[in-house]
Amino acid sequence: DAGVIQSPRHEVTEMGQEVTLRCKPISGHDYLFWYRQTMMRGLELLIYFNNNVPIDDSGMPEDRFSAKMPNASFSTLKIQPSEPRDSAVYFCASSRGTVNEQFFGPGTRLTVL
Amino acid sequence: AQKVTQAQTEISVVEKEDVTLDCVYETRDTTYYLFWYKQPPSGELVFLIRRNSFDEQNEISGRYSWNFQKSTSSFNFTITASQVVDSAVYFCALSEEGNYGQNFVFGPGTRLSVLP
Repeated sequence: DAGVIQSPRHEVTEMGQEVTLRCKPISGHDYLFWYRQTMMRGLELLIYFNNNVPIDDSGMPEDRFSAKMPNASFSTLKIQPSEPRDSAVYFCASSRGTVNEQFFGPGTRLTVL
Repeated sequence: AQKVTQAQTEISVVEKEDVTLDCVYETRDTTYYLFWYKQPPSGELVFLIRRNSFDEQNEISGRYSWNFQKSTSSFNFTITASQVVDSAVYFCALSEEGNYGQNFVFGPGTRLSVLP
């Protein structure tokens, strides 16, 4: 298996622009997670899906953030409009159930100027 | 609410020393799972181990060992004869599956530097 795939690996954008991060989970995994990692706040869970349905989005920082999972093999995290404080590494992870280990993608390093 | 504490922010050791990374957790559930992940300088997160709340047996995998003690709510990680390649940030994590819903939380991480 190719593992969790994220794109792009790096994104540099200007404040106010829309940013879309993409994730392809491991085939057969029924849970998908989006995390944000910063030096100040560490690794934060933003939202997770079970069978393509959002279960808990309490970690999404504000309405500028939205996530979708239109099918079992694809998810997006969108920031609109982006702000400099959104600069971070965004990880996608997938697992078979929440009690099993999560497999992480390589992350997307987002820089908002 | 569930919580994971890794009190050691940074640790530095010299190669071949043993080092223990502490993890203390809080949960109201009787069924839960504990994890350790490694994040090397390259940035990816690598799964190391999973332990459920009903299995308090210690585990050893090569130079790595884990000590799970429910009495002190701890799940500590020891690296024996550390090597430079062990330098990374190590995260402890907790997943609950019980009366209070399903949740997954990471600790703040411990940055381990192994010096040659």
